[in-house]
Amino acid sequence: DTAVSQTPKYLVTQMGNDKSIKCEQNLGHDTMYWYKQDSKKFLKIMFSYNNKELIINETVPNRFSPKSPDKAHLNLHINSLELGDSAVYFCASSLNFEQYFGPGTRLTVT
Amino acid sequence: KNEVEQSPQNLTAQEGEFITINCSYSVGISALHWLQQHPGGGIVSLFMLSSGKKKHGRLIATINIQEKHSSLHITASHPRDSAVYICAVIFNTDKLIFGTGTRLQVFP
Repeated sequence: DTAVSQTPKYLVTQMGNDKSIKCEQNLGHDTMYWYKQDSKKFLKIMFSYNNKELIINETVPNRFSPKSPDKAHLNLHINSLELGDSAVYFCASSLNFEQYFGPGTRLTVT
Repeated sequence: KNEVEQSPQNLTAQEGEFITINCSYSVGISALHWLQQHPGGGIVSLFMLSSGKKKHGRLIATINIQEKHSSLHITASHPRDSAVYICAVIFNTDKLIFGTGTRLQVFP
């Protein structure tokens, strides 16, 4: 069984659309994250949730809204997509600082 | 200036060579990760350490908290070690800050 899964793996959409990326972990971890990897492969934290509560919000535009329906899920909804949102988005979960990453979702905005 | 600096940015090696990748950080941390990202894109945590040294197979990671420095060593490198290696530091709030990565290519 995959520990941290994300769907979809690839997402191609036009500017102005709204899209969601889903993340699920079956590790029983309390903490989940969203990271963005830009075209230069630099990773940056976007959000962190602990037991469904928002802990970290790193100056991300409010077009990005994370939603955690339960401890095992952390979804990312993006409104009014822009060209600059094109990136790979990684979900992760952690326990005692150990991080487990999802496979990533490559978002391309045209 | 990034709070986490890695060197070198790019590294090429012949199979069998000993590889060292360095990571320096400028803030107090709870722990440090070494991550591996293969061309396919997936990220795997190789080590998480807060002191001393850890070894897994041909990989060795060390950290010196006082000097704010960590190194990742690969002994007897192999073409399958070709990947991007990323250092990431963890603050008290469980926030990760990533280095810019080191792209390693090992040729047969």
